Amino acid sequence: QSVLTQPPSASGTPGQRVTISCSGSNSNIGRNAVNWYQQLPGTAPKLLIYTNNQRPSAVPDRFSGSKSGTSASLAVSGLQSEDEADYYCAAWDDSLNGVLFGGGTKLTVL
Amino acid sequence: QEPLQESGPGLVKPSETLSLTCSVSGGSINSFFWSWIRQPPGKGLEWIGHTFYSGTTNYNPSLKSRVAMSIDTSKNQVSLKLNSVTAADTAVYFCARSRYCSNNICYDSPNYFGPWGQGTLVTVSS
Repeated sequence: QSVLTQPPSASGTPGQRVTISCSGSNSNIGRNAVNWYQQLPGTAPKLLIYTNNQRPSAVPDRFSGSKSGTSASLAVSGLQSEDEADYYCAAWDDSLNGVLFGGGTKLTVL
Repeated sequence: QEPLQESGPGLVKPSETLSLTCSVSGGSINSFFWSWIRQPPGKGLEWIGHTFYSGTTNYNPSLKSRVAMSIDTSKNQVSLKLNSVTAADTAVYFCARSRYCSNNICYDSPNYFGPWGQGTLVTVSS
């Protein structure tokens, strides 16, 4: 059971904008940076967003991140079929002195 | 050659010790924290812990009593040992490079993982 709460699933049609939420608490998201990871089927996860809203150079600008208080969000605009994957948020937790992952959200492109 | 490559037995008996190695190619192993993350079949990601060449480690509290990580700088390898395994430890185990540190200053956050190894499936069964 994850302390970072994500919806188990999300979906959209090609071209749409989809958001995925990640809810935490003061000891994790409230005080620390949130990163997002994309895991395509059968592959290792890949860093998608770091420090709340920064994109690695190879990540398309269709992906964006934001954080407010104890929640964070990942937005995917101009949805494409290749975006179908599992998405995980992650944050350091000061109380646990460790990294927490959200339970993951399976994004389906209809 | 992939920058990170996990290796080790794919099958471990219950109550025994799981031992994995992550071989690092390119870059300085001394400049980064190195993490182990696992994923049970069909489930989400779980952080196991991270280690730095100086010996600094942090482990997931739920696994702390059973886990040990270390770095062999001469071989450019990061190791993971998990003892007293049960079927619940069956998972794909990933190693990942984490935050960059230099002159006692660390950049990025501890939840920064990239790149990742391809992962290795470890099954606990008799």
